[in-house]
Amino acid sequence: AQTVTQSQPEMSVQEAETVTLSCTYDTSESDYYLFWYKQPPSRQMILVIRQEAYKQQNATENRFSVNFQKAAKSFSLKISDSQLGDAAMYFCAYRRDFGNEKLTFGTGTRLTIIP
Amino acid sequence: EPEVTQTPSHQVTQMGQEVILRCVPISNHLYFYWYRQILGQKVEFLVSFYNNEISEKSEIFDDQFSVERPDGSNFTLKIRSTKLEDSAMYFCASKRGRVEGEQYFGPGTRLTVT
Repeated sequence: AQTVTQSQPEMSVQEAETVTLSCTYDTSESDYYLFWYKQPPSRQMILVIRQEAYKQQNATENRFSVNFQKAAKSFSLKISDSQLGDAAMYFCAYRRDFGNEKLTFGTGTRLTIIP
Repeated sequence: EPEVTQTPSHQVTQMGQEVILRCVPISNHLYFYWYRQILGQKVEFLVSFYNNEISEKSEIFDDQFSVERPDGSNFTLKIRSTKLEDSAMYFCASKRGRVEGEQYFGPGTRLTVT
C-alpha cells in the first residue's frame, strides 16, 4: 500500500522569507501524481501544485515550487516570499496514475507565518 | 470558475439517526469521491464512484454508508445510523476524466454526532 509521510507537524517562517515543507512517499509504481493541498482555517482543501512522476522538471506555480526527487521518493514544497495568507495546514498527497484512483494524504504540516 | 458545492455546511445529528450529505460536482466531471477528516487528523478516502457504481471503497466505508447519484447533478453520501465516531468533516471531490490528474474538492460538510 502507498504511504505518504510528512515528518514536520509544525513549521514557522518570517513573512517574506522562504520555507520548505518535506514529504516522502512509498510506492512500487512508476507512474503517479503528487500534490500539495492547502487547508486554511475554513478547512477548504485547495490544490496548490501538482507533479507528474514522468516529468523530470519540477513544477512551479508563482511563489510555490517543488523539489521532486523520484529515486529518493521525496516531494518537498518551497514557498518563497511567504505571506500571511499562506498560513494553513499543508497536505502532501499521492495518487496512482490509473483511472479514478484515490488520493492518499500525509498527516499534514501546520505552517505559521510570523509578521 | 466552476466549483464543487456541498450542503449543508454543518449538520448536527443525534446518534442513531440517518444523515444525507449532498454534493454537486463540477458539471462535466465523471469521477466522484468522498473523503473524511476527523478533527486534527489527516484526510481519509471513503469511496470512489464512476459510471453509476462504486469503483473502490475503504475499510471505513462499511454497510452503514452508501452513495448515490440520483440525478445528473447530485452525488450523495448517506450514513444510516450515525455513531459518535462519525463526527468529522466530509469532503466531496470530482475529477473530469481518466487522464485528468486533479481532484477538485468541495468546501466540506461538518458533521457533529451527539
